Amino acid sequence: AAGVIQSPRHLIKEKRETATLKCYPIPRHDTVYWYQQGPGQDPQFLISFYEKMQSDKGSIPDRFSAQQFSDYHSELNMSSLELGDSALYFCASSLQGGATEAFFGQGTRLTVV
Amino acid sequence: AQTVTQSQPEMSVQEAETVTLSCTYDTSENNYYLFWYKQPPSRQMILVIRQEAYKQQNATENRFSVNFQKAAKSFSLKISDSQLGDTAMYFCAFSPFSTGANSKLTFGKGITLSVRP
Repeated sequence: AAGVIQSPRHLIKEKRETATLKCYPIPRHDTVYWYQQGPGQDPQFLISFYEKMQSDKGSIPDRFSAQQFSDYHSELNMSSLELGDSALYFCASSLQGGATEAFFGQGTRLTVV
Repeated sequence: AQTVTQSQPEMSVQEAETVTLSCTYDTSENNYYLFWYKQPPSRQMILVIRQEAYKQQNATENRFSVNFQKAAKSFSLKISDSQLGDTAMYFCAFSPFSTGANSKLTFGKGITLSVRP
């Protein structure tokens, strides 16, 4: 069965650079969630989209932005990268907004040097 | 706002034995979901088990079962016949019941479980 696809799997950027993370949800899933997991930390909710509209927002820095496109894939754009942005970024998708069947991608490991 | 507390940072269990991981939560919601996720060294987030708050019956998935005490806001995970592959970080998580795409997960700090051969 198709799963949530995240790309790239690994990314190394320098401070002050920009990064774009992509998420391709499970086919027919209309909701996407983004989470950030720092080293040794629990995942923290960043932002979610339902039917291409932002539905909820968490502790996402102003330097970050995200959107969901017409094909339901989502992109997380991160600018002016800081060392503290180094983390594992998860995308999860679900159907009709509910978290009861949220499936996680394998994550993108971002390292800022 | 909801909070999820996992007070044990790590636990160790002998292979084939049973271990219980604790979790408490706080919410003013009446309908919600509780989850246990497993995160092995690969860092993949794997759903272990899910409990709907409106169901009194405790959820069970093969060797994994929960003890859900709604009044006490407690949600523990029991792993029976522990296997080496159970070695991982385990996160307890909460989600409000919502059809409006506001079902983000709130995670506890996690517990590192080591299964000894």
